[in-house]
Amino acid sequence: GAGVSQSPSNKVTEKGKDVELRCDPISGHTALYWYRQRLGQGLEFLIYFQGNSAPDKSGLPSDRFSAERTGESVSTLTIQRTQQEDSAVYLCASSFQATGNTIYFGEGSWLTVV
Amino acid sequence: GNSVTQMEGPVTLSEEAFLTINCTYTATGYPSLFWYVQYPGEGLQLLLKATKADDKGSNKGFEATYRKETTSFHLEKGSVQVSDSAVYFCALINFGNEKLTFGTGTRLTIIP
Repeated sequence: GAGVSQSPSNKVTEKGKDVELRCDPISGHTALYWYRQRLGQGLEFLIYFQGNSAPDKSGLPSDRFSAERTGESVSTLTIQRTQQEDSAVYLCASSFQATGNTIYFGEGSWLTVV
Repeated sequence: GNSVTQMEGPVTLSEEAFLTINCTYTATGYPSLFWYVQYPGEGLQLLLKATKADDKGSNKGFEATYRKETTSFHLEKGSVQVSDSAVYFCALINFGNEKLTFGTGTRLTIIP
């Protein structure tokens, strides 16, 4: 597609349920990122995929969070046993390669845990 | 590690005023520097970037110069418009540590 596509755009879930958020990066982009933006706060790095290298998971806040990426295409961020503090916008981004090249963001998936 | 510190908001200006949003960074080596903008109800978009010292990024009347001696990348615009109202994020990326590190964002409101 023309840009980074994320789904769902909005998700309301009950505390304790699992959620999956999907990201379709721009075709050909080897680098893919997930960020979290809580209301009124900055962007918090979660995880980074680059080609076939091992992902950088250093930003994942707990073991309830995990992400996968199939080759250089779709990525899925999974949050297990959701908590209210997980409520945020989850942003996906991609680029051809990381350093110096433009990183393009999707519009995000708004997650509300009630 | 890498970090970005930017001007606390919110910032409110009148239309046609001069804008400066300060941004300083901490990083080893020679990071690339970015300003991203988030308009109300929209996704994050790249506004401008600079990849080496003394480079000036510019777009839509905004400018920022990569100053290695002061580790700064301040955003400026000579005459702001109501349509510039948004949240602005300063960010960097460093070779070998490929995460884009963001500042906390500065909310800008321009009043007619």
